[in-house]
Amino acid sequence: DVKVTQSSRYLVKRTGEKVFLECVQDMDHENMFWYRQDPGLGLRLIYFSYDVKMKEKGDIPEGYSVSREKKERFSLILESASTNQTSMYLCASSFRALRGTDTQYFGPGTRLTVL
Amino acid sequence: AQSVAQPEDQVNVAEGNPLTVKCTYSVSGNPYLFWYVQYPNRGLQFLLKYITGDNLVKGSYGFEAEFNKSQTSFHLKKPSALVSDSALYFCAVRDTSSGTYQYIFGTGTRLKVLA
Repeated sequence: DVKVTQSSRYLVKRTGEKVFLECVQDMDHENMFWYRQDPGLGLRLIYFSYDVKMKEKGDIPEGYSVSREKKERFSLILESASTNQTSMYLCASSFRALRGTDTQYFGPGTRLTVL
Repeated sequence: AQSVAQPEDQVNVAEGNPLTVKCTYSVSGNPYLFWYVQYPNRGLQFLLKYITGDNLVKGSYGFEAEFNKSQTSFHLKKPSALVSDSALYFCAVRDTSSGTYQYIFGTGTRLKVLA
């Protein structure tokens, strides 16, 4: 079974802090994704990566950055956390199948609260 | 621009009755369509997908979905609902002409199956 793990289930940070969210997958997937999930808005893509050291902006990249130094690990960084970044953050990974047909596998999520 | 709509925030159904969760989409090319389910305090799990071929797709846990090109819909169905089907359901689409790996997710539909 594919396993996608996220470093924390719950996180509480203060405004202005630098926050690191870590995601690790164990299936040698090329693609990795970071989403945020908010009620009534569904899932919105923040960043994704289709290879080591590669990254592309999603729909809402402002205030976030990412790092992919190893194939299995994809980090999301909030450079200076703000209260409007309070949300559920979901990591996903997928195998590089025929473009667009791959299934994404999700981690359990990190619920981040910024005070 | 590609988009996906889940017109119902919540669907209530009695246990044993058939259920339908609606999804409509808008893409400029051919769509790849997906359904995911999220149980409480867990990440999303893949249910089924339509890539090509038979319009009726069967997936996990007895769910199925029908691709209807003329109505641009991909409704999720199950002949007999279980209380354990209560969860948040997301429809997602990829536009094969877009050249990206991005899914567009709907806002989600909460399914409540009443005993």
